[in-house]
Amino acid sequence: RKEVEQDPGPFNVPEGATVAFNCTYSNSASQSFFWYRQDCRKEPKLLMSVYSSGNEDGRFTAQLNRASQYISLLIRDSKLSDSATYLCVVIAYGGSQGNLIFGKGTKLSVKP
Amino acid sequence: EPEVTQTPSHQVTQMGQEVILRCVPISNHLYFYWYRQILGQKVEFLVSFYNNEISEKSEIFDDQFSVERPDGSNFTLKIRSTKLEDSAMYFCASSEGTGLYTNQPQHFGDGTRLSIL
Repeated sequence: RKEVEQDPGPFNVPEGATVAFNCTYSNSASQSFFWYRQDCRKEPKLLMSVYSSGNEDGRFTAQLNRASQYISLLIRDSKLSDSATYLCVVIAYGGSQGNLIFGKGTKLSVKP
Repeated sequence: EPEVTQTPSHQVTQMGQEVILRCVPISNHLYFYWYRQILGQKVEFLVSFYNNEISEKSEIFDDQFSVERPDGSNFTLKIRSTKLEDSAMYFCASSEGTGLYTNQPQHFGDGTRLSIL
């Protein structure tokens, strides 16, 4: 079973749309969770950390459900600049140092 | 904003040759990492490093790979005898904390694209 699984995508949405990404992780001992975005042939860039109580940063809302081992990202009022691949990332307990485990990513294309 | 820098941006090497990829982590960060991403695939962990020692390594990080922090600023990844399948984007990352319980994120450099011919 893959450690971090994401919606396959791609998601093609018009500007202004609301889009949701889902992610599940297999290691129930996972401790820390993040969403990164990656533009084509660029490095992953942190979008936001995901906290147990859920958190919001402007148009972006992240939710965590530990019981279901499920993470989500909601983007409201999509902009053209939101077009990228969104990576679900976890850190699993057991490592001495928190190496990141990446999902394969979901590609988002926002069209005018 | 401080950033992780990597050199070179693109490295082309003959199969069997040694290659060294260089990284300068963010100056107050203590934890360092290398990841790779084969074209079209997910980002994969290679190795983590703290206090001049390897903390953890993946099964990808075999005897052909080594890391070093030769001075106070650089963090290098060496591949001794490159193979075709080593062709990938290699990302260096650093963090202030381990991230295990603190959600402290890792910050990535913009990568070195390694092409093995």
